[in-house]
Amino acid sequence: AQSVAQPEDQVNVAEGNPLTVKCTYSVSGNPYLFWYVQYPNRGLQFLLKYITGDNLVKGSYGFEAEFNKSQTSFHLKKPSALVSDSALYFCAVNNFNKFYFGSGTKLNVKP
Amino acid sequence: DTEVTQTPKHLVMGMTNKKSLKCEQHMGHRAMYWYKQKAKKPPELMFVYSYEKLSINESVPSRFSPECPNSSLLNLHLHALQPEDSALYLCASSKGFGTSNEQFFGPGTRLTVL
Repeated sequence: AQSVAQPEDQVNVAEGNPLTVKCTYSVSGNPYLFWYVQYPNRGLQFLLKYITGDNLVKGSYGFEAEFNKSQTSFHLKKPSALVSDSALYFCAVNNFNKFYFGSGTKLNVKP
Repeated sequence: DTEVTQTPKHLVMGMTNKKSLKCEQHMGHRAMYWYKQKAKKPPELMFVYSYEKLSINESVPSRFSPECPNSSLLNLHLHALQPEDSALYLCASSKGFGTSNEQFFGPGTRLTVL
């Protein structure tokens, strides 16, 4: 079965500090991994994806993610958090054209 | 144009009503999707259209009926819904029907079934 797990329901970080939102995956074959962000009452916005190549993927709004095959992880990171980054973040894996989303992590960035 | 639009933004309907949700994209994408999302939960896939043909139906009840009249338009027809069907319905599109393609989501329709 294909799945992603987000072990933290909520992450709290102070503005200006680095942030990490964790994601682990379980897939057979090559993983196609994605991060999305959702603001209240809005659709999901694509941040970045890992298909192949460099393990460090850079995406929108200063976000990046590190793919680690040995740890089956794809953690989302940002060097310096902004209050406006506060939102719900979803990790996802695409398997046979179906997106399987993690349970989501609420990121709270405090001034 | 790099967005997916959905109408209406909000919809309230009774259990005997018939209504439709509409989704449109003008990015030339050939795959379109319907998702259902409950509060604070991840989206759940309902249907996938590829090149205007239904490719995936995730065992969705027949009271939900999708339609893809052309490559830019996706409808979801609703009939005899239940209160538990109240949710945010999200439409998405992607370049093609491939695992490396990211999906672009619309803002959703907030559906309330009374």
